[in-house]
Amino acid sequence: QVQLVESGGGLVKPGGSLRLSCEASGFIFSDYYMTWIRQAPGKGLEWVSYIGGSGGDTGYADSVKGRFTISINSAKDSLYLQMSSLTVDDTATYYCARSRGWYMDIWGRGTLVTVSA
Amino acid sequence: DIQMTQSPSALSASIGDRVTISCRASQSISSWLAWYQQKPGKAPRLLMYKGSDLEVGVPSRFSGSESGAEFTLTISSLQPDDFATYYCQGFDGFSYTFGQGTKLEIK
Repeated sequence: QVQLVESGGGLVKPGGSLRLSCEASGFIFSDYYMTWIRQAPGKGLEWVSYIGGSGGDTGYADSVKGRFTISINSAKDSLYLQMSSLTVDDTATYYCARSRGWYMDIWGRGTLVTVSA
Repeated sequence: DIQMTQSPSALSASIGDRVTISCRASQSISSWLAWYQQKPGKAPRLLMYKGSDLEVGVPSRFSGSESGAEFTLTISSLQPDDFATYYCQGFDGFSYTFGQGTKLEIK
């Protein structure tokens, strides 16, 4: 079945780096845009970044631009988010999601990133 | 970037009630509006896209409408499974923006 599974979350110190992964299955990965969305504890949803199926089209929220890098490995049907210069404001559950046009139809279960000294 | 303003932020209702949630975009987004449902500890679930098109598997008691830059999600007869937080999401061609959410609670 169509599925997205995130991994790579954990505890990191302010200023540190972390790489999130999202493994896709059940659909042709290269046919879709993929996105990262995050949700701080007890807060709402915030779009983080998107990438086209070929990897050539990317976009970032202003809050992460210059610090986060989205990428894909089509051979592994995987999406990544390299995060650097992390701050406490980056603490959140990070979801990967499949984009069907301009909305997200399939979501992973999320991976928690905690930035704390 | 567009701003998406949802109202109300919280709502108490009873089983069988009809409820509406509104979402206003700060600029024209055509019909690029989606609605999601999220339950505690779970990922969001797509309910509706293009303002009023129901995602496969979503009960028909959910419906959407659009009037200019104002979008409405309606649940015609609340069921126990519907108590959750609802988010609207717009797209301006460059970035995605979510509303702040509406928490629907049992009265």
